[in-house]
Amino acid sequence: AQSVTQPDIHITVSEGASLELRCNYSYGATPYLFWYVQSPGQGLQLLLKYFSGDTLVQGIKGFEAEFKRSQSSFNLRKPSVHWSDAAEYFCAVGVGTGNMLTFGGGTRLMVKP
Amino acid sequence: GAVVSQHPSRVICKSGTSVKIECRSLDFQATTMFWYRQFPKKSLMLMATSNEGSKATYEQGVEKDKFLINHASLTLSTLTVTSAHPEDSSFYICSARDISGIGETQYFGPGTRLLVL
Repeated sequence: AQSVTQPDIHITVSEGASLELRCNYSYGATPYLFWYVQSPGQGLQLLLKYFSGDTLVQGIKGFEAEFKRSQSSFNLRKPSVHWSDAAEYFCAVGVGTGNMLTFGGGTRLMVKP
Repeated sequence: GAVVSQHPSRVICKSGTSVKIECRSLDFQATTMFWYRQFPKKSLMLMATSNEGSKATYEQGVEKDKFLINHASLTLSTLTVTSAHPEDSSFYICSARDISGIGETQYFGPGTRLLVL
């Protein structure tokens, strides 16, 4: 069965600093890959997704992610973090018929002034 | 972009009552919707897959008689928590699968906070 690991439960960065959130997956083939963001008490908003093609994908709010097959990773990056980026970030893989999603445990991002 | 709504956003009910939560895809049709449950500071747990015009598929350990799902149209799925108890208090999130364009993507609703007293 597929699994998703987000090694960092919490990350704190200074506003304006760069950010990288790690995501590793376990699956026999290339899955669909997603990053979602969740603000407190809210649903999930799709940041970006990878299905095929260019392994560097651009998303909303200045985020990007790179699929590295050799490392089974799909890390999320942003060159300069804003205070409004503080939230919970979930990596997910979609597999099989129906593209069922398996979520990582999430990474809580805190931004300090 | 694809928008999914949920109603209500918050509900407080007495133990033993039933609560219905609606999930709507506002600008696309969704033959498949999903219901998740999220505990505080935890990730999402898939409860069931809701298929338009057919019975829902429940994940292991989820009581189908407790959590009734109806997907009567291409834009609406409902989750009814029957005879709710305090342990059912949680954050319930739905998603709708958009199959237009390249690949398939789940878009999530804003969630419903259920508190059972």
